[in-house]
Amino acid sequence: QKEVEQNSGPLSVPEGAIASLNCTYSDRGSQSFFWYRQYSGKSPELIMFIYSNGDKEDGRFTAQLNKASQYVSLLIRDSQPSDSATYLCAVRDSGGGADGLTFGKGTHLIIQP
Amino acid sequence: DTGVSQDPRHKITKRGQNVTFRCDPISEHNRLYWYRQTLGQGPEFLTYFQNEAQLEKSRLLSDRFSAERPKGSFSTLEIQRTEQGDSAMYLCASSTPPGGSTDTQYFGPGTRLTVL
Repeated sequence: QKEVEQNSGPLSVPEGAIASLNCTYSDRGSQSFFWYRQYSGKSPELIMFIYSNGDKEDGRFTAQLNKASQYVSLLIRDSQPSDSATYLCAVRDSGGGADGLTFGKGTHLIIQP
Repeated sequence: DTGVSQDPRHKITKRGQNVTFRCDPISEHNRLYWYRQTLGQGPEFLTYFQNEAQLEKSRLLSDRFSAERPKGSFSTLEIQRTEQGDSAMYLCASSTPPGGSTDTQYFGPGTRLTVL
């Protein structure tokens, strides 16, 4: 059974600092990795996706992937109070035809003003 | 609005009743997904369609659940004989096939089901 693990938090970070969110996954066949942000009572909103080992940057967000360690992370620079939300890590195994995402439980991030 | 839409946004029903939810995907997306999310958990995959074909169903999708996408556009998810354990947010997402520049899943606002 595929598993995606995240620390549920809450993770408290001062405004302006770097927030670091981590995720590990069990299925070595996973090929695509996604970070979604979810505000309370709302649906998940895509932040970034990453397919290759290394770093991928988009504005204040950087996703990092290490397939050998089965580890993916999200860094948020210059954290803002509006970044306070639950961050969901999701993986997809595109090799076997199964296309549904497997999500972690999410990390609750609190940015302290 | 060109995003994924879902209807209704909220549904309250009594145990044993049948409910049906609708999802309209982003117009150019041919893949459509259903997920279920309970409090404190990430979304759990239920099923997905490519055009009108239902290609995968999770073991979570009991025989009380059925999904259709008859014309490859909108989809419906029906739950028969609802149980209190069915109370959850039901999320729909759509995407283009993998390999394209936009093979990511975009979620609708969800339908929150409460079974009394």
